[in-house]
Amino acid sequence: EPEVTQTPSHQVTQMGQEVILRCVPISNHLYFYWYRQILGQKVEFLVSFYNNEISEKSEIFDDQFSVERPDGSNFTLKIRSTKLEDSAMYFCASSEGRTSYEQYFGPGTRLTVT
Amino acid sequence: AQTVTQSQPEMSVQEAETVTLSCTYDTSESDYYLFWYKQPPSRQMILVIRQEAYKQQNATENRFSVNFQKAAKSFSLKISDSQLGDAAMYFCAPHFGNEKLTFGTGTRLTIIP
Repeated sequence: EPEVTQTPSHQVTQMGQEVILRCVPISNHLYFYWYRQILGQKVEFLVSFYNNEISEKSEIFDDQFSVERPDGSNFTLKIRSTKLEDSAMYFCASSEGRTSYEQYFGPGTRLTVT
Repeated sequence: AQTVTQSQPEMSVQEAETVTLSCTYDTSESDYYLFWYKQPPSRQMILVIRQEAYKQQNATENRFSVNFQKAAKSFSLKISDSQLGDAAMYFCAPHFGNEKLTFGTGTRLTIIP
């Protein structure tokens, strides 16, 4: 069964460094998402991406964040200058369509900023 | 504002028994979709069940079913014949017509052998 994959599973970085989190969505899906979950808290939406552009973003998704689909398979989240409060689990998700379609999640990348 | 409330931070149930997890929400939308996701200790987010708001019939998926009350804006998840593998964090996550899922704070379910 097709699944969303994410790499790396765990990333440790120093404050101020840039990180890129990678995701491979399910191949026939058209909508892509990033969510994050700070330990012990609820899952928060960051951004959605469709047709090679951001379609919606939250207030968390400021200028330090960017997303890209560099080729036909990968979907990346870049954090330019990491802060301690960026430490969280980052989930990529994809769906065939918009509202009515299920979003399928990857296993997540645990980001630790020291 | 669209809000999602899961009022039970923790629940426990005896193996083979039935448990119901509650979820209420607030939205001005009339057409939307509701999902329950399960997050086991591995932290993978797994889709459990979905309900379309325009459907009166409650969704069922094997041992999982929902009780959807649109007027009350309530969307509870019933797990029958609970199994040890059901132990997880359960999130109610409506999709209110925009791009994102709006997650509740979750209910941690413990299964007692």
